[in-house]
Amino acid sequence: DQQVKQNSPSLSVQEGRISILNCDYTNSMFDYFLWYKKYPAEGPTFLISISSIKDKNEDGRFTVFLNKSAKHLSLHIVPSQPGDSAVYFCAASARGSARQLTFGSGTQLTVLP
Amino acid sequence: DAGVTQSPTHLIKTRGQQVTLRCSPKSGHDTVSWYQQALGQGPQFIFQYYEEEERQRGNFPDRFSGHQFPNYSSELNVNALWLGDSALYLCASSRGNTDTQYFGPGTRLTVL
Repeated sequence: DQQVKQNSPSLSVQEGRISILNCDYTNSMFDYFLWYKKYPAEGPTFLISISSIKDKNEDGRFTVFLNKSAKHLSLHIVPSQPGDSAVYFCAASARGSARQLTFGSGTQLTVLP
Repeated sequence: DAGVTQSPTHLIKTRGQQVTLRCSPKSGHDTVSWYQQALGQGPQFIFQYYEEEERQRGNFPDRFSGHQFPNYSSELNVNALWLGDSALYLCASSRGNTDTQYFGPGTRLTVL
């Protein structure tokens, strides 16, 4: 039972354009959501997070949107840069679970110069 | 400020052997979580240590065990290795009940 799903295994975007990565979840107990970026042979790097009391959080070029009724979140990267090419993981946690992270399967983003 | 560190980087073992992986958390962090990432998948939660106790455990067999030391560093032990244990093992640290976990570079374990 996959509680966090990233349905697009890959995404290609032109440099300077917007990248939109999507994530769906099924567990209503999740109240905190995170995005990580992962390069080959490295551990995941924390990018941005959002609490369920908000519907949007911005940090520089990165914005995360949360739609609780649809159990959907998205990561927007504007403008996209070639250095953004990596695997992006969506993760979620619930209060009372020691904040263990449940991850999606990842989306490979390729930003073309 | 050192981030999360893990050792060794790579490890090759044969079926039936035992392995110990090590993790030092980010400075100021007291909670360590371990994850297993198989090829093409997202990381899966193994367990979490806080105040030298296992606080939460994921769906992994008892062959997977751990320890946390007074300096907050941690070990992951896997007994009776089998081929399916081949994966990237990631350690993440956080501060108490804060929500964001920071990951180390991982240990690549290959079981032959």
